[in-house]
Amino acid sequence: AQTVTQSQPEMSVQEAETVTLSCTYDTSESDYYLFWYKQPPSRQMILVIRQEAYKQQNATENRFSVNFQKAAKSFSLKISDSQLGDAAMYFCAYRSGLRTSGSRLTFGEGTQLTVNP
Amino acid sequence: GAVVSQHPSRVICKSGTSVKIECRSLDFQATTMFWYRQFPKKSLMLMATSNEGSKATYEQGVEKDKFLINHASLTLSTLTVTSAHPEDSSFYICSARQGFLNTEAFFGQGTRLTVV
Repeated sequence: AQTVTQSQPEMSVQEAETVTLSCTYDTSESDYYLFWYKQPPSRQMILVIRQEAYKQQNATENRFSVNFQKAAKSFSLKISDSQLGDAAMYFCAYRSGLRTSGSRLTFGEGTQLTVNP
Repeated sequence: GAVVSQHPSRVICKSGTSVKIECRSLDFQATTMFWYRQFPKKSLMLMATSNEGSKATYEQGVEKDKFLINHASLTLSTLTVTSAHPEDSSFYICSARQGFLNTEAFFGQGTRLTVV
Protein backbone atom coordinates (compact mmCIF):
# COMPACT_ATOMS: atom_id res chain seq x y z
CA ALA A 1 0.00 0.00 0.00
CA GLN A 2 1.10 3.51 -0.68
CA THR A 3 1.92 5.87 2.15
CA VAL A 4 2.42 9.60 2.23
CA THR A 5 4.42 11.29 4.97
CA GLN A 6 4.56 14.95 5.89
CA SER A 7 7.15 15.34 8.62
CA GLN A 8 6.35 18.97 9.47
CA PRO A 9 3.12 19.27 11.49
CA GLU A 10 3.53 23.05 11.63
CA MET A 11 5.47 25.66 9.70
CA SER A 12 5.54 29.41 9.80
CA VAL A 13 6.76 32.04 7.36
CA GLN A 14 6.96 35.78 7.23
CA GLU A 15 4.78 37.52 4.71
CA ALA A 16 6.59 37.93 1.35
CA GLU A 17 9.13 35.26 2.25
CA THR A 18 9.49 31.76 0.81
CA VAL A 19 8.63 28.53 2.56
CA THR A 20 9.03 24.89 1.57
CA LEU A 21 6.77 22.11 2.79
CA SER A 22 8.09 18.57 2.70
CA CYS A 23 6.41 15.39 1.54
CA THR A 24 7.72 11.90 0.97
CA TYR A 25 5.84 8.90 -0.29
CA ASP A 26 6.33 5.22 -0.65
CA THR A 27 5.17 3.25 -3.66
CA SER A 28 6.26 0.43 -5.90
CA GLU A 29 4.32 1.82 -8.84
CA SER A 30 5.81 3.74 -11.72
CA ASP A 31 2.63 5.46 -12.90
CA TYR A 32 1.06 7.81 -10.40
CA TYR A 33 0.08 11.40 -9.66
CA LEU A 34 0.99 13.67 -6.79
CA PHE A 35 -0.97 16.61 -5.48
CA TRP A 36 -0.83 19.40 -2.96
CA TYR A 37 -4.14 20.50 -1.50
CA LYS A 38 -4.83 23.50 0.67
CA GLN A 39 -7.48 23.49 3.37
CA PRO A 40 -8.14 26.96 4.80
CA PRO A 41 -10.22 27.54 7.93
CA SER A 42 -13.38 27.19 5.82
CA ARG A 43 -12.39 23.49 5.47
CA GLN A 44 -12.89 23.60 1.69
CA MET A 45 -10.23 21.50 -0.02
CA ILE A 46 -8.52 23.42 -2.80
CA LEU A 47 -6.13 21.92 -5.32
CA VAL A 48 -2.88 23.86 -5.33
CA ILE A 49 -0.75 21.94 -7.78
CA ARG A 50 -0.36 18.50 -9.32
CA GLN A 51 2.46 16.51 -10.82
CA GLU A 52 2.38 13.51 -13.11
CA ALA A 53 5.11 11.03 -12.25
CA TYR A 54 6.09 10.54 -15.87
CA LYS A 55 6.91 14.21 -16.27
CA GLN A 56 10.43 15.20 -15.36
CA GLN A 57 9.67 18.89 -15.33
CA ASN A 58 8.54 20.26 -11.99
CA ALA A 59 5.03 21.70 -11.98
CA THR A 60 4.55 25.41 -11.36
CA GLU A 61 1.42 27.43 -10.66
CA ASN A 62 2.15 31.11 -10.14
CA ARG A 63 3.78 31.40 -6.69
CA PHE A 64 3.59 27.67 -6.07
CA SER A 65 6.12 25.19 -7.39
CA VAL A 66 7.19 21.68 -6.57
CA ASN A 67 10.49 19.88 -6.34
CA PHE A 68 9.70 16.39 -7.55
CA GLN A 69 12.49 13.91 -6.92
CA LYS A 70 11.17 10.61 -8.23
CA ALA A 71 14.11 8.45 -7.23
CA ALA A 72 14.03 9.84 -3.71
CA LYS A 73 10.22 9.71 -3.63
CA SER A 74 10.10 13.28 -2.50
CA PHE A 75 7.56 15.94 -3.48
CA SER A 76 8.07 19.27 -1.73
CA LEU A 77 6.00 22.41 -2.21
CA LYS A 78 7.60 25.83 -2.40
CA ILE A 79 5.49 28.91 -1.79
CA SER A 80 7.15 32.11 -2.91
CA ASP A 81 6.18 35.61 -1.83
CA SER A 82 3.94 34.20 0.90
CA GLN A 83 0.67 35.98 1.49
CA LEU A 84 -1.63 36.04 4.50
CA GLY A 85 -4.19 34.13 2.47
CA ASP A 86 -1.77 31.23 2.14
CA ALA A 87 -2.28 30.36 5.79
CA ALA A 88 -3.94 26.96 5.82
CA MET A 89 -3.44 23.26 6.33
CA TYR A 90 -1.59 21.77 3.39
CA PHE A 91 -1.98 18.14 2.43
CA CYS A 92 0.22 16.14 0.11
CA ALA A 93 -1.66 13.40 -1.73
CA TYR A 94 -0.87 10.40 -3.91
CA ARG A 95 -3.00 8.78 -6.57
CA SER A 96 -2.15 5.58 -8.36
CA GLY A 97 -2.25 5.49 -12.14
CA LEU A 98 -3.68 1.98 -12.09
CA ARG A 99 -7.36 1.60 -12.93
CA THR A 100 -7.68 -1.11 -10.32
CA SER A 101 -6.81 1.40 -7.60
CA GLY A 102 -10.18 3.07 -8.00
CA SER A 103 -8.49 6.45 -8.43
CA ARG A 104 -8.48 7.06 -4.69
CA LEU A 105 -6.30 9.68 -3.03
CA THR A 106 -3.98 8.85 -0.16
CA PHE A 107 -3.28 11.89 2.00
CA GLY A 108 -0.40 12.81 4.24
CA GLU A 109 -0.96 14.01 7.79
CA GLY A 110 -0.88 17.66 6.81
CA THR A 111 1.24 20.70 7.57
CA GLN A 112 -0.33 23.71 9.24
CA LEU A 113 1.15 26.83 7.69
CA THR A 114 1.07 30.13 9.53
CA VAL A 115 1.91 33.35 7.71
CA ASN A 116 3.11 36.15 9.96
CA PRO A 117 2.54 39.76 8.90
CA GLY B 1 -12.91 24.10 -11.82
CA ALA B 2 -16.01 22.00 -11.47
CA VAL B 3 -18.35 22.49 -8.53
CA VAL B 4 -19.33 19.91 -5.96
CA SER B 5 -22.05 20.92 -3.54
CA GLN B 6 -22.44 19.19 -0.20
CA HIS B 7 -25.49 19.63 1.97
CA PRO B 8 -26.05 20.31 4.79
CA SER B 9 -22.95 22.17 5.90
CA ARG B 10 -23.83 21.62 9.54
CA VAL B 11 -26.22 19.23 11.22
CA ILE B 12 -27.01 18.35 14.79
CA CYS B 13 -28.91 15.18 15.52
CA LYS B 14 -29.89 13.17 18.53
CA SER B 15 -28.29 9.87 19.42
CA GLY B 16 -30.06 6.97 17.77
CA THR B 17 -31.39 8.91 14.84
CA SER B 18 -30.20 8.83 11.24
CA VAL B 19 -28.88 11.71 9.20
CA LYS B 20 -28.37 11.98 5.45
CA ILE B 21 -25.65 14.02 3.76
CA GLU B 22 -25.90 14.83 0.07
CA CYS B 23 -23.09 15.36 -2.40
CA ARG B 24 -23.94 16.76 -5.81
CA SER B 25 -21.78 17.47 -8.84
CA LEU B 26 -23.35 20.60 -10.29
CA ASP B 27 -21.77 20.92 -13.70
CA PHE B 28 -20.34 17.53 -14.53
CA GLN B 29 -21.22 13.87 -14.33
CA ALA B 30 -19.40 12.16 -11.50
CA THR B 31 -18.78 8.52 -12.28
CA THR B 32 -16.95 8.12 -8.99
CA MET B 33 -17.53 9.79 -5.65
CA PHE B 34 -15.52 9.46 -2.47
CA TRP B 35 -16.51 9.98 1.15
CA TYR B 36 -13.96 11.05 3.74
CA ARG B 37 -14.02 11.63 7.44
CA GLN B 38 -11.79 14.22 9.06
CA PHE B 39 -11.10 14.69 12.75
CA PRO B 40 -9.93 18.09 14.05
CA LYS B 41 -6.47 18.98 12.80
CA LYS B 42 -6.11 15.57 11.24
CA SER B 43 -5.92 14.24 7.73
CA LEU B 44 -8.75 12.98 5.55
CA MET B 45 -9.54 9.32 5.99
CA LEU B 46 -11.24 7.62 3.07
CA MET B 47 -14.40 5.86 4.15
CA ALA B 48 -15.71 4.53 0.88
CA THR B 49 -15.68 4.85 -2.87
CA SER B 50 -18.90 4.79 -4.83
CA ASN B 51 -19.47 4.33 -8.52
CA GLU B 52 -22.75 5.27 -10.10
CA GLY B 53 -25.19 2.39 -10.18
CA SER B 54 -23.11 -0.02 -8.16
CA LYS B 55 -22.45 -0.79 -4.52
CA ALA B 56 -19.94 1.28 -2.65
CA THR B 57 -16.54 -0.10 -1.76
CA TYR B 58 -15.82 0.48 1.91
CA GLU B 59 -12.42 0.85 3.48
CA GLN B 60 -11.33 -1.59 6.11
CA GLY B 61 -12.81 -0.78 9.48
CA VAL B 62 -15.72 1.23 8.14
CA GLU B 63 -19.10 -0.25 9.05
CA LYS B 64 -21.14 -0.45 5.89
CA ASP B 65 -24.37 -0.92 7.80
CA LYS B 66 -23.74 2.21 9.77
CA PHE B 67 -22.56 4.42 6.94
CA LEU B 68 -24.92 3.79 4.05
CA ILE B 69 -23.75 5.16 0.73
CA ASN B 70 -25.95 5.47 -2.33
CA HIS B 71 -24.81 6.73 -5.73
CA ALA B 72 -28.06 6.50 -7.65
CA SER B 73 -27.25 9.01 -10.36
CA LEU B 74 -24.24 10.55 -12.04
CA THR B 75 -24.70 13.76 -10.09
CA LEU B 76 -25.74 12.63 -6.63
CA SER B 77 -24.30 10.49 -3.88
CA THR B 78 -25.63 10.29 -0.35
CA LEU B 79 -24.11 9.22 2.94
CA THR B 80 -26.53 8.18 5.65
CA VAL B 81 -25.23 7.81 9.17
CA THR B 82 -27.62 5.38 10.82
CA SER B 83 -28.29 5.11 14.55
CA ALA B 84 -25.87 7.94 15.16
CA HIS B 85 -23.77 8.05 18.32
CA PRO B 86 -21.69 10.90 19.74
CA GLU B 87 -18.52 9.21 18.49
CA ASP B 88 -19.84 9.65 14.95
CA SER B 89 -19.49 13.39 15.40
CA SER B 90 -16.97 14.53 12.83
CA PHE B 91 -16.40 16.46 9.63
CA TYR B 92 -17.46 14.52 6.53
CA ILE B 93 -16.22 15.50 3.08
CA CYS B 94 -17.18 14.19 -0.32
CA SER B 95 -15.29 14.46 -3.57
CA ALA B 96 -16.22 13.64 -7.11
CA ARG B 97 -14.33 12.69 -10.23
CA GLN B 98 -15.64 12.84 -13.76
CA GLY B 99 -13.78 9.86 -15.06
CA PHE B 100 -10.68 7.84 -14.44
CA LEU B 101 -8.63 9.67 -17.01
CA ASN B 102 -9.51 12.97 -15.41
CA THR B 103 -6.96 13.21 -12.65
CA GLU B 104 -8.53 15.92 -10.57
CA ALA B 105 -11.10 15.27 -7.87
CA PHE B 106 -13.30 18.15 -6.77
CA PHE B 107 -14.33 18.47 -3.15
CA GLY B 108 -17.53 19.50 -1.48
CA GLN B 109 -17.57 22.04 1.31
CA GLY B 110 -17.89 19.39 3.98
CA THR B 111 -20.51 18.65 6.62
CA ARG B 112 -19.99 19.13 10.33
CA LEU B 113 -22.03 16.44 12.10
CA THR B 114 -22.66 16.74 15.80
CA VAL B 115 -24.49 13.95 17.59
CA VAL B 116 -25.90 14.90 20.97
